[in-house]
Amino acid sequence: QQQVKQSPQSLIVQKGGISIINCAYENTAFDYFPWYQQFPGKGPALLIAIRPDVSEKKEGRFTISFNKSAKQFSLHIMDSQPGDSATYFCAAKQAGGTSYGKLTFGQGTILTVHP
Amino acid sequence: DAMVIQNPRYQVTQFGKPVTLSCSQTLNHNVMYWYQQKSSQAPKLLFHYYDKDFNNEADTPDNFQSRRPNTSFCFLDIRSPGLGDAAMYLCATKGANTEAFFGQGTRLTVV
Repeated sequence: QQQVKQSPQSLIVQKGGISIINCAYENTAFDYFPWYQQFPGKGPALLIAIRPDVSEKKEGRFTISFNKSAKQFSLHIMDSQPGDSATYFCAAKQAGGTSYGKLTFGQGTILTVHP
Repeated sequence: DAMVIQNPRYQVTQFGKPVTLSCSQTLNHNVMYWYQQKSSQAPKLLFHYYDKDFNNEADTPDNFQSRRPNTSFCFLDIRSPGLGDAAMYLCATKGANTEAFFGQGTRLTVV
């Protein structure tokens, strides 16, 4: 129930295309859903995040779509650029208790954007 | 700028030789985390602190210990590193707009 399932495992997109990465969860106690971007040899960096009272959040070329009833959320990268090539992780945080913001991560998606 | 600083960035240690990784944060937050990330895998939480309250994940091996002498600093001690402990070790704290603000990590190699 603590799992977050992420797909696809890898994604190849042409420059200017749309990259879409999907995540699904089971635990309805999750209350915060961030996406992290990680370049090789670096720590993950927060890209964008959403809470379940909102169905969509957009920041620049990055959009999270959230479907509470289906327990799914996705990351859309519009006008994908070669500089977006990285590993993307979705995650989820459980509300309250002793979790102190503990994140459960998806398995990651390696995105390659070809010029 | 708020920062999480990990030292060293790269650490090579011998099989079975104790090693300590360090982390400091400028956000002055009472929560700190240690994650282990193996190649091509997601970060896996080892333990976290809320102030000095230490919380070990159920599946974190006893070989891994941690110390937090004050709010700003946190250490990860690996008592007897094995080849399977080779990984990136990530320290994190809570940020203004994020539940986990990560450092750049320490890449541990065990020889």
